[in-house]
Amino acid sequence: QITLKESGPTLVKPTQTLTLTCTFSGFSLSTSGVGVGWIRQPPGKALEWLALIYWDDDKRYSPSLKSRLTITKDTSKNQVVLTMTNMDSVDTATYYCAHANTAIVGPDYWGQGTLVTVSS
Amino acid sequence: QTVVTQEPSLTVSPGGTVTLTCASSTGAVTSGYYPNWFQQKPGQAPRALIYSTSNKHSWTPARFSGSLLGDKAALTLSGVQPEDEAEYYCLLYYGGAQVFGGGTKLTVL
Repeated sequence: QITLKESGPTLVKPTQTLTLTCTFSGFSLSTSGVGVGWIRQPPGKALEWLALIYWDDDKRYSPSLKSRLTITKDTSKNQVVLTMTNMDSVDTATYYCAHANTAIVGPDYWGQGTLVTVSS
Repeated sequence: QTVVTQEPSLTVSPGGTVTLTCASSTGAVTSGYYPNWFQQKPGQAPRALIYSTSNKHSWTPARFSGSLLGDKAALTLSGVQPEDEAEYYCLLYYGGAQVFGGGTKLTVL
């Protein structure tokens, strides 16, 4: 059974760096083809794809946010970390992590999401 | 910047059939964009429905189907149920990065 759960601060100040952790179970990020990605959704708005890391440490980023994002993995802890620098109010959103694999090329199992508010 | 476009809203009667589409600002959507479709109900995380154009996940109801329609990806719901009222998102693959559409709010009325 694949599960994922996001954790991190619920409130960050403008210009600060956000660090989110995705802790998962039911699969290993050392298995060929497996990946974990991040997606966000501002309140009342559409989903936005952010980043993805694969089992072989290949990393992909949204071109529009690439300069602000870093995705890393800790295979031994079954965790993936996303950092986003220079946070602004427009970054207020629910942040989801999700399991993916190269056979599907898209997220299949999703975490419940965590709401991050950017405010001074 | 790449833009993926969906119908903002559609309405369908219970038992009816409706098709949602997904277009890319870069041109025709082909199987190489590996279209994915997701359903999201209020207050819930998205749920994956379709991957690689037309493949269903093990949990996807049979009434959902994916295809390419002209130069777009399409999601067809046949025999719509009241519980299908939701927001639907497509996702396209651009050689590494992926982009979601703006979503289609489907009303069952």
